[in-house]
Amino acid sequence: GAGVSQSPSNKVTEKGKDVELRCDPISGHTALYWYRQSLGQGLEFLIYFQGNSAPDKSGLPSDRFSAERTGGSVSTLTIQRTQQEDSAVYLCASSMGLAGGTGELFFGEGSRLTVL
Amino acid sequence: AQSVTQPDIHITVSEGASLELRCNYSYGATPYLFWYVQSPGQGLQLLLKYFSGDTLVQGIKGFEAEFKRSQSSFNLRKPSVHWSDAAEYFCAVGYTGRRALTFGSGTRLQVQP
Repeated sequence: GAGVSQSPSNKVTEKGKDVELRCDPISGHTALYWYRQSLGQGLEFLIYFQGNSAPDKSGLPSDRFSAERTGGSVSTLTIQRTQQEDSAVYLCASSMGLAGGTGELFFGEGSRLTVL
Repeated sequence: AQSVTQPDIHITVSEGASLELRCNYSYGATPYLFWYVQSPGQGLQLLLKYFSGDTLVQGIKGFEAEFKRSQSSFNLRKPSVHWSDAAEYFCAVGYTGRRALTFGSGTRLQVQP
């Protein structure tokens, strides 16, 4: 597609339930990132995928969080046994290469997660 | 560890007035610097970026930013603000070999008529 697509745009769930958030990056982009934006906070890095390399999971806040990227394209972020502090907007971004290099990040509109 | 500080959480300016949003970073190496804007209900959009060369960079929508190594700053400026500039602005820093950008906490801009 023309841009980064995320679904669902809004998700309300009960504490303890599992949720899956989906990201479809820009075609041809090799790098994919997940960030979390909590109310009044900046963007918190969660995880990074680059091609076939092992993902950089250094930002995942707990083992309840996991992500996968299938076929080098679509990614799914899974949160197990959701807690109220998981409520946030989850942003996906893609780029042509390393964002720390010359790669510009292109962001989706985010998935807003509310845990009751 | 690297960090990005945006000291102003919320700024209000009048339409037509000039604007400067502050950004400071901490790290020893030469950074790559970015400003993103997030309008209500929309994703983040890149305004401008600095990689090397001229320390004054021009971006979209009439924005510019200046990299000052001695002050570890990358402040965003606009000479005349429009009502449509009301949004949240994020400064971000990246480094060679570092995979992810580090973002500041953002500055929310309100524009008064």
